[in-house]
Amino acid sequence: NAGVTQTPKFQVLKTGQSMTLQCAQDMNHNSMYWYRQDPGMGLRLIYYSASEGTTDKGEVPNGYNVSRLNKREFSLRLESAAPSQTSVYFCASIGLAKNIQYFGAGTRLSVL
Amino acid sequence: GENVEQHPSTLSVQEGDSAVIKCTYSDSASNYFPWYKQELGKRPQLIIDIRSNVGEKKDQRIAVTLNKTAKHFSLHITETQPEDSAVYFCAAKAGANNLFFGTGTRLTVIP
Repeated sequence: NAGVTQTPKFQVLKTGQSMTLQCAQDMNHNSMYWYRQDPGMGLRLIYYSASEGTTDKGEVPNGYNVSRLNKREFSLRLESAAPSQTSVYFCASIGLAKNIQYFGAGTRLSVL
Repeated sequence: GENVEQHPSTLSVQEGDSAVIKCTYSDSASNYFPWYKQELGKRPQLIIDIRSNVGEKKDQRIAVTLNKTAKHFSLHITETQPEDSAVYFCAAKAGANNLFFGTGTRLTVIP
């Protein structure tokens, strides 16, 4: 039982490059989330998926797209990376039975 | 939507002293209030939570209190130790809605 697994752990991009951050959970959770964390700004929700087949915008969705590939996997895509997207990205999931939200280990992204 | 405010943003205490972090929320429908601890370079991890049907919950040196009327809740850490140094986040959730996080408190415990 690995919980929430994110890849990659680190990534450096040039402005304009694209990439996809991968997230998978093995806890049979319905809801999955992508956050970004910047100094002094806490955790800001980018996109979420309340269940397989659905996705919704969070607080800061601009410049990102997501795909809920199946119940386990929820990916985040940057089509044309910008320096403002330099951040630490966390994936999380939550089950119906309890409200506990579990986080992945994070992806540290730098856009030059 | 929900708005969660957290204070202070930084807090330094001497080892053995108590630390208190306070949060307020805006949505009276919120009924679940977790606290997360994030050590440097690590993921946030749940340390304690409280639901709106109780006013206080304690787990060893950590306690959380909730005042639904005033819409605020607090984290109390007693007998602080250096390993308590971390960033702490409060959050609030209403039913099936998403979690809304505070902006975090960086706690430093001075040996």
